[in-house]
Amino acid sequence: QQQVKQSPQSLIVQKGGISIINCAYENTAFDYFPWYQQFPGKGPALLIAIRPDVSEKKEGRFTISFNKSAKQFSLHIMDSQPGDSATYFCAASRGSAGNNRKLIWGLGTSLAVNP
Amino acid sequence: DAGITQSPRYKITETGRQVTLMCHQTWSHSYMFWYRQDLGHGLRLIYYSAAADITDKGEVPDGYVVSRSKTENFPLTLESATRSQTSVYFCATSDYNEQFFGPGTRLTVL
Repeated sequence: QQQVKQSPQSLIVQKGGISIINCAYENTAFDYFPWYQQFPGKGPALLIAIRPDVSEKKEGRFTISFNKSAKQFSLHIMDSQPGDSATYFCAASRGSAGNNRKLIWGLGTSLAVNP
Repeated sequence: DAGITQSPRYKITETGRQVTLMCHQTWSHSYMFWYRQDLGHGLRLIYYSAAADITDKGEVPDGYVVSRSKTENFPLTLESATRSQTSVYFCATSDYNEQFFGPGTRLTVL
């Protein structure tokens, strides 16, 4: 059972455009929502994360939008660049106590930014 | 300071052989994780460890064994490798919420 559903599976965007990746979750106990970026041949790395007490978090060209009532969160990449071409994973967890360090992962979105 | 390392980076083995993938961290993160990554399945958790001598099953533990006698090491053993275990394996550590991933081991089982 997929507790975090990610879409689209793949995305092609022109340079300078906006890339949008969406995730939906089921467990209302989740309280930490990170996005990871993975380049070919590398391990995933944390890109940006949000907690449900805020509706938006921005770091440079990357923004997470969070909708608690809809149980959805999304990653927006503004002014997309070819260097942003990677696989993006959303995830969720129930916090840092006990075995809740485990992240529940989406299946990933392969983003290609055309020059 | 390498952070987290995995060895070997590439491994080819045959069905039925035992294989051990190594993971070593230079931090003192208490949590460590093993994932496998396959096309269409994302990252699937195999085993994780909250501290030395404490391990627990993840989503896909069958066919794998782990141990953690020291905080810095978390080896993953395939007791009798099968072709379905051909995958890329990632080790990760956790500092509070963030997980830090190693470079991965690409394992091929013939």
